Amino acid sequence: KAGVTQTPRYLIKTRGQQVTLSCSPISGHRSVSWYQQTPGQGLQFLFEYFSETQRNKGNFPGRFSGRQFSNSRSEMNVSTLELGDSALYLCASSFFSSGQGGETQYFGPGTRLLVL
Amino acid sequence: AQSVSQHNHHVILSEAASLELGCNYSYGGTVNLFWYVQYPGQHLQLLLKYFSGDPLVKGIKGFEAEFIKSKFSFNLRKPSVQWSDTAEYFCAVGLPSDMRFGAGTRLTVKP
Repeated sequence: KAGVTQTPRYLIKTRGQQVTLSCSPISGHRSVSWYQQTPGQGLQFLFEYFSETQRNKGNFPGRFSGRQFSNSRSEMNVSTLELGDSALYLCASSFFSSGQGGETQYFGPGTRLLVL
Repeated sequence: AQSVSQHNHHVILSEAASLELGCNYSYGGTVNLFWYVQYPGQHLQLLLKYFSGDPLVKGIKGFEAEFIKSKFSFNLRKPSVQWSDTAEYFCAVGLPSDMRFGAGTRLTVKP
């Protein structure tokens, strides 16, 4: 199976702009989670989508939003970009299997966003 | 608040040395436990996971971890590290509909 893919891989934006990142999960995976990774804060959970519904949300401002489509692909959007939004944004897809002991996340390569 | 603590920020070892990276979590319920690795320039990869059963879990590349419920710990071990193990290691706790990561431990293995 192909892994989790994220596009674009690199992005440069300026303050005040908005950005949309895309994630295609592993085929058959219905859950998609988004994380922000920075040197100072480490890995922080943004939100999780399952079957087109947001199932959980981390502690991020409303400028960060997301959605999931019927084919499980997901997008996240950041509006009114700030310098502090510069980070690696990771997407992970997961599939629950009782036979494999639960749910395991598989990560994509990430989108590196630089805000100038 | 639920949290995950990794005690060492940076560990430096020589090849063939033994490795143990500490991970403690604070959550009273049933949890799933993971160790991920991020090699330089690569994305996160799953090393191993614990959901239930034998508390000693074996993963890829010779890594293993032991879940000690009474200590809320899930330490990662490898008996003999190689230069190629140089990477950042993340402990993670899977909560219902959430995933919490530790701050990561950077491992440098000197040849």
